[in-house]
Amino acid sequence: SAVISQKPSRDICQRGTSLTIQCQVDSQVTMMFWYRQQPGQSLTLIATANQGSEATYESGFVIDKFPISRPNLTFSTLTVSNMSPEDSSIYLCSVDRSYNEQFFGPGTRLTVL
Amino acid sequence: GESVGLHLPTLSVQEGDNSIINCAYSNSASDYFIWYKQESGKGPQFIIDIRSNMDKRQGQRVTVLLNKTVKHLSLQIAATQPGDSAVYFCAERRGGNKLVFGAGTILRVKS
Repeated sequence: SAVISQKPSRDICQRGTSLTIQCQVDSQVTMMFWYRQQPGQSLTLIATANQGSEATYESGFVIDKFPISRPNLTFSTLTVSNMSPEDSSIYLCSVDRSYNEQFFGPGTRLTVL
Repeated sequence: GESVGLHLPTLSVQEGDNSIINCAYSNSASDYFIWYKQESGKGPQFIIDIRSNMDKRQGQRVTVLLNKTVKHLSLQIAATQPGDSAVYFCAERRGGNKLVFGAGTILRVKS
């Protein structure tokens, strides 16, 4: 299984500020995924990040709000911009190890005041 | 730790009993169905998957059943243990690498 780490593990931020979340994988992967899990809810895919190209965003998510970087095959960042309390969620990155197995990081727990 | 299942349906079972967690999916074109377990404060953990051309698959203490006629998926856990307490999510793979997650169910195991 893949080893995925995320930083920070949790943060409390003020509205209007931005937070960048880092995701590091222990081996090279083509695709990395970013999900949001709002309190008491399921996971929703924000975007798919391929190295060397722009991220592909899902409906309801835009690059200006959630800019993503993918500088190499083991690392990605997700920025939550101009935060509001509605952005309080767990943000998770994941990678595919095979077609049918997607592994998740531990998540970043964000609270926006 | 933080609970992610505050608004999710709950299944309470006695330790040693069997658990059945159900999930309805929406897209008949999905080619894989996967069950994940999420413990408090952690990311989802892969449990078992099933291809759309199968109706049953067994793992260690877990069985997944797929009924494509009614678009229903279930996860059966045999001899449920306290360590099985978690939130369980089903997910559909809709071609390519995109996963769509279901609502989730909290499983509470009573000792």
